[in-house]
Amino acid sequence: GQQLNQSPQSMFIQEGEDVSMNCTSSSIFNTWLWYKQDPGEGPVLLIALYKAGELTSNGRLTAQFGITRKDSFLNISASIPSDVGIYFCAGDLFNNDMRFGAGTRLTVKP
Amino acid sequence: EAQVTQNPRYLITVTGKKLTVTCSQNMNHEYMSWYRQDPGLGLRQIYYSMNVEVTDKGDVPEGYKVSRKEKRNFPLILESPSPNQTSLYFCASSLSRGVDEQYFGPGTRLTVT
Repeated sequence: GQQLNQSPQSMFIQEGEDVSMNCTSSSIFNTWLWYKQDPGEGPVLLIALYKAGELTSNGRLTAQFGITRKDSFLNISASIPSDVGIYFCAGDLFNNDMRFGAGTRLTVKP
Repeated sequence: EAQVTQNPRYLITVTGKKLTVTCSQNMNHEYMSWYRQDPGLGLRQIYYSMNVEVTDKGDVPEGYKVSRKEKRNFPLILESPSPNQTSLYFCASSLSRGVDEQYFGPGTRLTVT
């Protein structure tokens, strides 16, 4: 089935740096979601986006729903060690079919 | 506490030996689903259930079975496991399919030798 193209696959950054990751697709999505997976745990929802062009923040996290409905980005500002994990984008196609990106593995060096 | 539980968390088995991974949620959610997570492929849906006695195939259903006899439980059954089913499995639940937040279980790491 249609998958989302998520990049980068992995990132190694210094504590305090900003982070940016994105997801693109050839399909139009109704909703974009960003999840974080801590080691040994299941994914947890960070941000949900429902309207094209929507920009939403959750603490140090900011995500945007692309105007074409085919892409989304997630930014993390001033990273801290507990930001380590795998970040997944997920999109809900208009038929309520959820698709996930392959994930971005984030490593933060103290 | 609202949660999704899975058992076992870790399982090592041999090819062909039937196994069941249980999933239970305490949030009265109608929608439940199973995913497998493989490196570089993200989460792929195996099966989902819209309600009791209603199940349907996801993207990668081959080699798996599910049942939904009660609202809270959604077991994943591998009748004859094969090595290519070695993976990390997640159960998830939500109020409905699609836009509602999905709550994920802690995962079951399965190794088939």
